[in-house]
Amino acid sequence: AQKVTQAQTEISVVEKEDVTLDCVYETRDTTYYLFWYKQPPSGELVFLIRRNSFDEQNEISGRYSWNFQKSTSSFNFTITASQVVDSAVYFCALFLTGGFGANSKLTFGKGITLSVRP
Amino acid sequence: GAVVSQHPSWVICKSGTSVKIECRSLDFQATTMFWYRQFPKQSLMLMATSNEGSKATYEQGVEKDKFLINHASLTLSTLTVTSAHPEDSSFYICSARGGSGGNTIYFGEGSWLTVV
Repeated sequence: AQKVTQAQTEISVVEKEDVTLDCVYETRDTTYYLFWYKQPPSGELVFLIRRNSFDEQNEISGRYSWNFQKSTSSFNFTITASQVVDSAVYFCALFLTGGFGANSKLTFGKGITLSVRP
Repeated sequence: GAVVSQHPSWVICKSGTSVKIECRSLDFQATTMFWYRQFPKQSLMLMATSNEGSKATYEQGVEKDKFLINHASLTLSTLTVTSAHPEDSSFYICSARGGSGGNTIYFGEGSWLTVV
């Protein structure tokens, strides 16, 4: 069975601080995808990144960076120099492709509420 | 980039009535769409997976006769909440599988349903 654990539930930082959001996943599949989504108060889920299981390269996109470590089954997300607009709930998710049929499934962690104070 | 549109964003309905929520992939064909429900301050709960042209696969505990899902075309899936009750009030969000290799999941804006 697949599982995503986001052990941190709420994080509060002051603007310009760096913050890391942790994500640990479990799966027996060798082919899978990992995602991070941002959910602001308005509710929509904003896609941030997709990483496939065969690509362990870390990625940086502006103030965002992701550290994928298969050895520890972790896919952590760091926001550098946080801003008030970063305040949101962040979800990590695991996607088992299962081909293009009904076996494909996206499993979410419980989410981390990030509050960035001015 | 890929866009998934969900309509309506907000809906209020009376107990006992049915309400339909639409999910459209605007610039790509989605063979698979997913429907989620989210309670306040909780994670997303997968309700069902719909594949174009076939019956939806429901998660355990989700009543298929109450939450009717239709995926009639490659760009449209609908969720109908039948005989709605106040406990059905929730945030419903759809997603579609697209992108490179069909392995990126894009979400709609979500629909807030209030049953009075």
